[in-house]
Amino acid sequence: QKEVEQNSGPLSVPEGAIASLNCTYSDRGSQSFFWYRQYSGKSPELIMSIYSNGDKEDGRFTAQLNKASQYVSLLIRDSQPSDSATYLCAVRGTGNQFYFGTGTSLTVIP
Amino acid sequence: DAGVIQSPRHEVTEMGQEVTLRCKPISGHNSLFWYRQTMMRGLELLIYFNNNVPIDDSGMPEDRFSAKMPNASFSTLKIQPSEPRDSAVYFCASSLGSSGRAQFFGPGTRLTVL
Repeated sequence: QKEVEQNSGPLSVPEGAIASLNCTYSDRGSQSFFWYRQYSGKSPELIMSIYSNGDKEDGRFTAQLNKASQYVSLLIRDSQPSDSATYLCAVRGTGNQFYFGTGTSLTVIP
Repeated sequence: DAGVIQSPRHEVTEMGQEVTLRCKPISGHNSLFWYRQTMMRGLELLIYFNNNVPIDDSGMPEDRFSAKMPNASFSTLKIQPSEPRDSAVYFCASSLGSSGRAQFFGPGTRLTVL
């Protein structure tokens, strides 16, 4: 079992719709969770971090964490073509290790 | 504030040559990570350092790969001898080691071994 699992996609949504990205993790003791966006040919860029159960909103982005279910999600409201990228879920484990999912490719169709 | 700095940005070399990749972490960060990314395997952790000490090098593919961190502001990843299958983008990332902070990535080095 991988430490972090994501649906690889690709996920396509029309412009203006909500994109929903999901992630599960195996280390129950993990306390820190992150979403990175990676454009083609670029490095991963941190867009959200979340540490407590519940929702955290930042502009059009909302991260959701459910530690009991070991589940993290990212919602992108009013999706724009510029949101087209690969989204990586990352979890910081109990041993200071970072675990990355394989990423979900998102395409926002104008 | 400068982010993570990597050099070179692109490297093309021939099989059998030595390759050295360099990284300068964000000032004040005490954890440093080296990753390799390919289409087939995604983002793979090679090694990470905490306070200049290698903590986990289980991701280093084989003895041809070595990494050093002689001080808090500099790290190298060396491949000797290089092989075509080493062609990938190599990322360096840094973070504050405690308190669950995020990693921040450098721009990467695109390595092509002919």
